[in-house]
Amino acid sequence: RKEVEQDPGPFNVPEGATVAFNCTYSNSASQSFFWYRQDCRKEPKLLMSVYSSGNEDGRFTAQLNRASQYISLLIRDSKLSDSATYLCVVDPPRSNDYKLSFGAGTTVTVRA
Amino acid sequence: EAQVTQNPRYLITVTGKKLTVTCSQNMNHEYMSWYRQDPGLGLRQIYYSMNVEVTDKGDVPEGYKVSRKEKRNFPLILESPSPNQTSLYFCASSLYGVAFFGQGTRLTVV
Repeated sequence: RKEVEQDPGPFNVPEGATVAFNCTYSNSASQSFFWYRQDCRKEPKLLMSVYSSGNEDGRFTAQLNRASQYISLLIRDSKLSDSATYLCVVDPPRSNDYKLSFGAGTTVTVRA
Repeated sequence: EAQVTQNPRYLITVTGKKLTVTCSQNMNHEYMSWYRQDPGLGLRQIYYSMNVEVTDKGDVPEGYKVSRKEKRNFPLILESPSPNQTSLYFCASSLYGVAFFGQGTRLTVV
């Protein structure tokens, strides 16, 4: 089983719609979780960290469900500029920064 | 400006011709990594380094070498490239789980 799994999508949504997707992780002892954004084969960039209590950053909301071992990302009021691949990243407990586990990414396409 | 710089951005080479992809970071991070990204497979770690002169294999190290003689630099070396190493390569430095990536090197081996 992969350490981190994501629905690859693509999720095709109209502007203004809400889109949400999940990422599951296999190591129940994982402590740190992140969402990264990657545009068209450019370098991934941190979108937001995911905290136990859930957190928002503008139109983006991240949630952590430890019991079911998944994290989620919700995008409200989608913009064309939100079109990208979203990577789920998990920091397993044994690691010290050098062994982040990346999901293969979920592609979101926002259409006009 | 905090950044990770990779060179070259694009490279086409022939099988067996040694090449080096350079990576440099200006954030004084101890931890650096190399990844390759292939369609449908996501980012896979090739090698990582916890500090100067400390390196270790990641998930797909075969055919690659690295060195870490200075904290800021972490070059990736392909001694004898083969076509299955055609890929998009990213260098990253990280702190507390947050990774900063270079702009990527698109390598084609013919």
